[in-house]
Amino acid sequence: DSGVTQTPKHLITATGQRVTLRCSPRSGDLSVYWYQQSLDQGLQFLIHYYNGEERAKGNILERFSAQQFPDLHSELNLSSLELGDSALYFCASSVAGTGTYGYTFGSGTRLTVV
Amino acid sequence: KNEVEQSPQNLTAQEGEFITINCSYSVGISALHWLQQHPGGGIVSLFMLSSGKKKHGRLIATINIQEKHSSLHITASHPRDSAVYICAPHSNYQLIWGAGTKLIIKP
Repeated sequence: DSGVTQTPKHLITATGQRVTLRCSPRSGDLSVYWYQQSLDQGLQFLIHYYNGEERAKGNILERFSAQQFPDLHSELNLSSLELGDSALYFCASSVAGTGTYGYTFGSGTRLTVV
Repeated sequence: KNEVEQSPQNLTAQEGEFITINCSYSVGISALHWLQQHPGGGIVSLFMLSSGKKKHGRLIATINIQEKHSSLHITASHPRDSAVYICAPHSNYQLIWGAGTKLIIKP
């Protein structure tokens, strides 16, 4: 157990649907990052939150949104799902957002859109 | 040109060999991370470097900030080292991912 908890581990849903992925960071970590890993692409950075505030945005589609709550857990909302959204979604946490502390990764949520 | 270049992309070696994976980057960074991803998908952070050299067990990582280059070495490689190794410089509040090096160590 890395200390970062992602739920659910697996999710199968139909096109057009909306899903919510959840991430609880390691205790004491204020930063949460979301990444997408598709079969044909490497890891793509989606978004970074630090202590409830958005710090950086990457290649995140307008159909996707995220937030970090006061208890520091984060949720990634994916709507109007398409087949191409099928991927492994990782969450990672860190003490700060500067990159000068280690990262801890969750085990990921495997999303399959059918 | 990609911001992060890793080489080689694929590497197959015999157990016991000394392994080197190289990473060059073009962006300004606060630190550089080496990560390991196993076939099951899990990602483990190996090193965070902002200067010099770090060692953990059989793994050694070095960085030259002036030359924007980092290397990951594995001594006395073992089949359990088989994984994808990813170089990820940290810039502008995010990790910039290299394409990864797929390492296979044969017994």
